[in-house]
Amino acid sequence: AQTVTQSQPEMSVQEAETVTLSCTYDTSESDYYLFWYKQPPSRQMILVIRQEAYKQQNATENRFSVNFQKAAKSFSLKISDSQLGDAAMYFCAYFTGTASKLTFGTGTRLQVTL
Amino acid sequence: GAVVSQHPSWVICKSGTSVKIECRSLDFQATTMFWYRQFPKQSLMLMATSNEGSKATYEQGVEKDKFLINHASLTLSTLTVTSAHPEDSSFYICSARDSKPGVYEQYFGPGTRLTVT
Repeated sequence: AQTVTQSQPEMSVQEAETVTLSCTYDTSESDYYLFWYKQPPSRQMILVIRQEAYKQQNATENRFSVNFQKAAKSFSLKISDSQLGDAAMYFCAYFTGTASKLTFGTGTRLQVTL
Repeated sequence: GAVVSQHPSWVICKSGTSVKIECRSLDFQATTMFWYRQFPKQSLMLMATSNEGSKATYEQGVEKDKFLINHASLTLSTLTVTSAHPEDSSFYICSARDSKPGVYEQYFGPGTRLTVT
C-alpha cells in the first residue's frame, strides 16, 4: 500500500523568508502524481502545486516550487518570500491510477511570523 | 476554476436523527466524487468513493449502512448520516474529480461541520 510521510508536524518561518516542507512516499508504481494541498483556517482545501512522476523538471507555481527526487521518493515544497497568508496546514498527497484515490500525509502546520 | 460546493456548511442535529449533506460540482462534470472525514488537527480520512450511477465503494471500517452515499448525477453526490450519534460529530469534506480524460486533480468542497447533540 502507498504511504505518505510528513515528518514535520509544525514549522515556523519569518515573513519574507523561505521555508521547505518535507514529504516522502512509498510506492512500487512508476506512474503517479504528487500534490501539495493547503488548508487554511477556513478548512477549504486548496491545490498548491502538482508534479507528474514522469516529468523530471520540478514544478513551480509563483512562490511555490517542489524538489522532486523520484529515486529517493521525496517531494518537498519550498515556499519563497513567505507571506502571512501562507499560514496553514499543508498536506502532501499521492495519486496513482491503480488506486484511483488520493493518499494524504499527516500534514505540516506552517506558522508565519512577523 | 473548478468549484465544488457543499450544503449545509454547518448542521446541528439530535441523536437518532438523520442528516443529509450535498456536494455539487458547479462548473464541471464529475464521474467520481469522494467523501472524507477530518478530525481536529488531523489529516483527511477517505470514507468512500462514489461513481455516478453506481454503488459507492467504502473504505475499510466505514459503515455503509450508517453513511449512505448517492451519486445520482454528474454534478451531485449526497452523504446521509443515518441515526446520528455524538461520535459522528466531525468535519465532512467532499471532493470531485473532473471527468475529462487525463485530469487527475481533485477539487474540494468547503466542508460541512456536523454536530450531533
